[in-house]
Amino acid sequence: DAGITQSPRHKVTETGTPVTLRCHQTENHRYMYWYRQDPGHGLRLIHYSYGVKDTDKGEVSDGYSVSRSKTEDFLLTLESATSSQTSVYFCAISGSRQGNQPQHFGDGTRLSIL
Amino acid sequence: QKEVEQDPGPLSVPEGAIVSLNCTYSNSAFQYFMWYRQYSRKGPELLMYTYSSGNKEDGRFTAQVDKSSKYISLFIRDSQPSDSATYLCAINQGGSEKLVFGKGTKLTVNP
Repeated sequence: DAGITQSPRHKVTETGTPVTLRCHQTENHRYMYWYRQDPGHGLRLIHYSYGVKDTDKGEVSDGYSVSRSKTEDFLLTLESATSSQTSVYFCAISGSRQGNQPQHFGDGTRLSIL
Repeated sequence: QKEVEQDPGPLSVPEGAIVSLNCTYSNSAFQYFMWYRQYSRKGPELLMYTYSSGNKEDGRFTAQVDKSSKYISLFIRDSQPSDSATYLCAINQGGSEKLVFGKGTKLTVNP
């Protein structure tokens, strides 16, 4: 198994509260990704990182921010959670900018915003 | 036209059957093709990875890519109840962070 740990695994919170999800990897991979998975939409990229302090937006980045201060940790923050952000969030890692090394996924964080 | 189309199923087969899962794509620049398996409440797990047309075999699993038709398939031989999961195809152009996923096909293998 790829060494990816997501925390927390489950979280229930209220609208308007800040939420931070953590992804920790032990593979020393350069690239890290945050996805959300929703019925009818599949997996959609929120943000990704191509190195420490280097991040960029994906296709559904509005309402989310990320930070990467160490190679092994990639944080996803919902500054003011909304019900539309209820979803399952997956972190993925890759040794390359896709191509000769595919992405490997963590087991997800199930987030409910009431 | 969507970049990747995948029949969502659900697909239900008896144990021992040969399963065929398929995706079509629209962008001829795509060159890396993956199949992921996702069990309930787990993350996607990489099953097969290929970057050329033709077949790639790994045990009971065969991935097939036809770039001329923009069509990829995953075959599962001698299917087992433990193969019951959602199968996702994923495609990448190469040199890009953008991994395009199909929406997944839910497979149930009945004992």
